[in-house]
Amino acid sequence: ETGVTQTPRHLVMGMTNKKSLKCEQHLGHNAMYWYKQSAKKPLELMFVYSLEERVENNSVPSRFSPECPNSSHLFLHLHTLQPEDSALYLCASSMYHRKEQPQHFGDGTRLSIL
Amino acid sequence: EDQVTQSPEALRLQEGESSSLNCSYTVSGLRGLFWYRQDPGKGPEFLFTLYSAGEEKEKERLKATLTKKESFLHITAPKPEDSATYLCAVQAGSSASKIIFGSGTRLSIRP
Repeated sequence: ETGVTQTPRHLVMGMTNKKSLKCEQHLGHNAMYWYKQSAKKPLELMFVYSLEERVENNSVPSRFSPECPNSSHLFLHLHTLQPEDSALYLCASSMYHRKEQPQHFGDGTRLSIL
Repeated sequence: EDQVTQSPEALRLQEGESSSLNCSYTVSGLRGLFWYRQDPGKGPEFLFTLYSAGEEKEKERLKATLTKKESFLHITAPKPEDSATYLCAVQAGSSASKIIFGSGTRLSIRP
């Protein structure tokens, strides 16, 4: 399997639930990213991990908690979400962060908060 | 304030009708400008990286150009399969840590 794989593809959860999004990359990259994509809004960078260390956290609410156990896997743990958190969550990877290199994206998890 | 603006928001063309998409940016210390294509239900797919003003890149019917203030994605004789949302992103800052995306241009090509 190649590229960036995200699971699940779709997730519906209540505001009091706890769930996790998973991302796996098979490209040998050292940097991984979480983005939020809402309708008619630009992609918003949420978190950046470089060599398994969090290097960027762009003022994201604490109800989103990232985890990067190794350079191939990235998780986004969700708890007590709000309706405005409904969006497409995209994972991406690149060879290095802070180098001008393209990112490779997964197909996202479509999250709906009831 | 760092900003990336894409225009038009949506563009409908007839098959074979050439046009251009615009990405204008206001950032400090541009390190690279990226173009991506995104199909419905999919993640963005990388197309081009441009690093400095005057640079051009081509791929099939697409050609990307860069000036000090904007980038253009020229599409020549498009086909229906070129229909997608095209995203522009810039990487900027002294440590290249800023990544800012535009809102995209939805391109539709009619047969």
